[in-house]
Amino acid sequence: AQSVAQPEDQVNVAEGNPLTVKCTYSVSGNPYLFWYVQYPNRGLQFLLKYITGDNLVKGSYGFEAEFNKSQTSFHLKKPSALVSDSALYFCAVREMGSNDYKLSFGAGTTVTVRA
Amino acid sequence: GAVVSQHPSRVICKSGTSVKIECRSLDFQATTMFWYRQFPKQSLMLMATSNEGSKATYEQGVEKDKFLINHASLTLSTLTVTSAHPEDSSFYICSARRTNEQFFGPGTRLTVL
Repeated sequence: AQSVAQPEDQVNVAEGNPLTVKCTYSVSGNPYLFWYVQYPNRGLQFLLKYITGDNLVKGSYGFEAEFNKSQTSFHLKKPSALVSDSALYFCAVREMGSNDYKLSFGAGTTVTVRA
Repeated sequence: GAVVSQHPSRVICKSGTSVKIECRSLDFQATTMFWYRQFPKQSLMLMATSNEGSKATYEQGVEKDKFLINHASLTLSTLTVTSAHPEDSSFYICSARRTNEQFFGPGTRLTVL
């Protein structure tokens, strides 16, 4: 079984400050991990992924995430948030080697960046 | 690359009518597509896995006779909401699988009056 937890429903930061969106996962084996962003009435936009290799993954729009196997976490970070980063963020996991390719999504975290 | 489109982006229909939503992979072939439903400010709920040339696999609790899925080609899957009712109003999102990743469409807002 696979699952994702995003412990914060909302994250509020001031523009220019660091932004962190938390994600922990649970899989039986090794994970594929993803972050997506969703703007109102839009589909999901891919931000970044961890498949294998370096634990620090850099993605779109200045976002990065660090895979931490011991803590089963994959927190999303941005050093300096912009007002335009205000959106709904989803973490997702799929177990490596699973043959149904299904993703499990977290509940989502609403990020608000104030000017 | 890896662009997925959905049509229509928004549809309003009367209760009792059927609505078809198309999901297309524009620049790659997808043997597997997924259909999700999303309620306001909530996560995506997987409805079914659409497999090209075979029957869709539905998640528990999803009525297959109400949500008809057809995946007739490697670039097109359709979701038909039959005899739609107001409780079917939602945001429907599809995705198409390419190797180990899913690429998402822009979503379809269905409103049933």
